[in-house]
Amino acid sequence: GQQLNQSPQSMFIQEGEDVSMNCTSSSIFNTWLWYKQDPGEGPVLLIALYKAGELTSNGRLTAQFGITRKDSFLNISASIPSDVGIYFCAGHQIQGAQKLVFGQGTRLTINP
Amino acid sequence: EAGVAQSPRYKIIEKRQSVAFWCNPISGHATLYWYQQILGQGPKLLIQFQNNGVVDDSQLPKDRFSAERLKGVDSTLKIQPAKLEDSAVYLCASSLNMPGAGYTFGSGTRLTVV
Repeated sequence: GQQLNQSPQSMFIQEGEDVSMNCTSSSIFNTWLWYKQDPGEGPVLLIALYKAGELTSNGRLTAQFGITRKDSFLNISASIPSDVGIYFCAGHQIQGAQKLVFGQGTRLTINP
Repeated sequence: EAGVAQSPRYKIIEKRQSVAFWCNPISGHATLYWYQQILGQGPKLLIQFQNNGVVDDSQLPKDRFSAERLKGVDSTLKIQPAKLEDSAVYLCASSLNMPGAGYTFGSGTRLTVV
């Protein structure tokens, strides 16, 4: 099945540092979504992107929909302890049943 | 608005036993999804419903997994018989019937097969 390649798999940073993660695909997607998952909970939507080249911010989070429609990145500025968790990229394929496909996740750990 | 409700939160069963999970989506969300999330991986779609009809069940292991959404609202996912590799978190999500609509996930059911 369709896969999204998400990197890095894990990050260990100091509080206050900026974070960047990205997601790539061999196929074109018509939406890109970024989710955060806390332990024992389901993923929660952070940012949704609907147009190629779109740059969207949500507080300290910024995400962009790549111009080629095959990639997206998520940046977190000035990280704080509550940013700890697993971040997933997800995309809707441009054809077919429009199912949402997920990346493997980026586990973020923050040292205070 | 109320979120996606799932039950039970945890379930431990022996292999070859049967198990069922329940999901109640957000009111008005026509589309319902069941995802399987194995530890350390991203969620993988098992089945997608549009109202009470199946849209995509291509990745559902139909020899042991079944799902229904009889009245287009609640849904149940069943595994019979369970295998050790079915140990995972089973997530239910719902969305509006719009292209690119974001999904709202429930907290999931953590299944352990021993």
